[in-house]
Amino acid sequence: DAGVTQSPTHLIKTRGQQVTLRCSPKSGHDTVSWYQQALGQGPQFIFQYYEEEERQRGNFPDRFSGHQFPNYSSELNVNALLLGDSALYLCASSFSTEQFFGPGTRLTVL
Amino acid sequence: RKEVEQDPGPFNVPEGATVAFNCTYSNSASQSFFWYRQDCRKEPKLLMSVYSSGNEDGRFTAQLNRASQYISLLIRDSKLSDSATYLCAVNSPDNFNKFYFGSGTKLNVKP
Repeated sequence: DAGVTQSPTHLIKTRGQQVTLRCSPKSGHDTVSWYQQALGQGPQFIFQYYEEEERQRGNFPDRFSGHQFPNYSSELNVNALLLGDSALYLCASSFSTEQFFGPGTRLTVL
Repeated sequence: RKEVEQDPGPFNVPEGATVAFNCTYSNSASQSFFWYRQDCRKEPKLLMSVYSSGNEDGRFTAQLNRASQYISLLIRDSKLSDSATYLCAVNSPDNFNKFYFGSGTKLNVKP
């Protein structure tokens, strides 16, 4: 049984560019949450998708958007990248309250 | 005030020692609590849930103190492989699937 998968593993972009990160949840999980983890910090909640809709959002600007597909996989899009967007982006899938994280995408903005 | 706070450490302990971490949370209405372990440059891995009655899994014991709004993690007989950062997660009362994480407590177990 595959766990949560994310792609790509690493990404380097320049300021102003746009990026799309992808996540496939654990089998049987229908909810996907996205987190941003800066160096030395805990994961910060970006938003959560359930039944293809954004169910909850954290304190992130509209430059951060997402999508969930009928197969429960999800995308995170970030527009107009800033240097401060450099972080590890984690996807977590869940069916009830326990969340399981994917390996993350490490984004570097130059 | 942050929703979840942890002592960043590091906690440097010898093998075989017992070590305990606390994590305080601000919203008394939170209902779900978890401990995660995160190795350097890896994703957090779920270590254990924290129940009102406490929870024990081998050398690890997690407890919840609702009156003082903190959760704890006790590790007995520390192993070198326990060296990692331990994150606590507390759910948001308005969405049981939205979690606030602490910044983590770093544990170094020395030979």
